[in-house]
Amino acid sequence: NAGVTQTPKFQVLKTGQSMTLQCAQDMNHEYMSWYRQDPGMGLRLIHYSVGAGITDQGEVPNGYNVSRSTTEDFPLRLLSAAPSQTSVYFCASSYGWQFYSPLHFGNGTRLTVT
Amino acid sequence: DQQVKQNSPSLSVQEGRISILNCDYTNSMFDYFLWYKKYPAEGPTFLISISSIKDKNEDGRFTVFLNKSAKHLSLHIVPSQPGDSAVYFCAASAQSNDYKLSFGAGTTVTVRA
Repeated sequence: NAGVTQTPKFQVLKTGQSMTLQCAQDMNHEYMSWYRQDPGMGLRLIHYSVGAGITDQGEVPNGYNVSRSTTEDFPLRLLSAAPSQTSVYFCASSYGWQFYSPLHFGNGTRLTVT
Repeated sequence: DQQVKQNSPSLSVQEGRISILNCDYTNSMFDYFLWYKKYPAEGPTFLISISSIKDKNEDGRFTVFLNKSAKHLSLHIVPSQPGDSAVYFCAASAQSNDYKLSFGAGTTVTVRA
């Protein structure tokens, strides 16, 4: 099992550009989520999904879109990148959302917006 | 406003000694707590958890203590090993909030040989 796979590992964007961060999991997990990690802030929830076709906003959703067309994939889209979106992004999944299930994280995407 | 706080950004400990990491929370609805460990260039990995109905949970060298009245939990690592050098995140969730995790800012542990 590959677990949670994120691509790309690194990305540099100019302000106003758009891009999609890819996330795929092969564990048949219902729950998937996106976090961003910033110095002194810990990990903050951007968007999450409790199953295919269902998404919802987390703590810091502005500037990001998500969709969940399959159980395996949960891409994160930046429509118009801003310097404030410079961060490390982590995708995570877990077996269920109706109970306490530890998250499995990908290795992250380091994004710089200039 | 951060609901989970790790007030010590870093901790240095000698190999073989005890590492104690602290975490405070403000939301009294939190009823499940987890610790994650993160190495550079990797994602966090689950380490240990505790439910609010317990005050201690142990897994090998790792023990988590929960003090609900003080809204405080701690992670003890005994004995500390060089491979324990990492960033440790405290996290909490509540059934009332659909189990979404709130994370602390992390504590960087360095184990000295």
